[in-house]
Amino acid sequence: KQEVTQIPAALSVPEGENLVLNCSFTDSAIYNLQWFRQDPGKGLTSLLLIQSSQREQTSGRLNASLDKSSGRSTLYIAASQPGDSATYLCAVMDSNYQLIWGAGTKLIIKP
Amino acid sequence: NAGVTQTPKFQVLKTGQSMTLQCAQDMNHNSMYWYRQDPGMGLRLIYYSASEGTTDKGEVPNGYNVSRLNKREFSLRLESAAPSQTSVYFCASSEALAGRSTDTQYFGPGTRLTVL
Repeated sequence: KQEVTQIPAALSVPEGENLVLNCSFTDSAIYNLQWFRQDPGKGLTSLLLIQSSQREQTSGRLNASLDKSSGRSTLYIAASQPGDSATYLCAVMDSNYQLIWGAGTKLIIKP
Repeated sequence: NAGVTQTPKFQVLKTGQSMTLQCAQDMNHNSMYWYRQDPGMGLRLIYYSASEGTTDKGEVPNGYNVSRLNKREFSLRLESAAPSQTSVYFCASSEALAGRSTDTQYFGPGTRLTVL
């Protein structure tokens, strides 16, 4: 059974720092890996989608990498800002085309 | 552009009561999903509908029923609520028909349900 783990569960960093969020999964048979952002009391917003054949995707200050063979993905946030404070969730699309989710990393950017 | 809307935003039920959570999307998407989110856990899929007229069970379907009323609307019903169903419920939609891996999902704001 596919399991997705995100470590750490929470992270607090000063504004301006570059940071990395981690996601690991147990079964490499995935179609894609996705990163989402969740703000308190709101729904989830898609940030990046990496197909299984790709190594990375970039959007603005965000860069996500995928190493399918080792079951790992990282989300790199450059020059962090207070507005980046949110919970970041990763999910993998399994062989049934269903998303399997991690529990998320709660990120706090201190001004 | 409203995207995915959910009603109600908050609900408190007593054990044994029933209720229906409503979800609608205005993006002409084919697939719709219901998830629950519990503290310290990832989202878990309850039911999904790959296209109008079809529904399928997800990881945690027990105690729930769904209806894909038309292409826009997908409702989730709790027939006899239990405290274990206290959770935040999210509806989502995606353009994909079944078996496509390139599309992301768009989420509603969620319904926070408490069962006493």
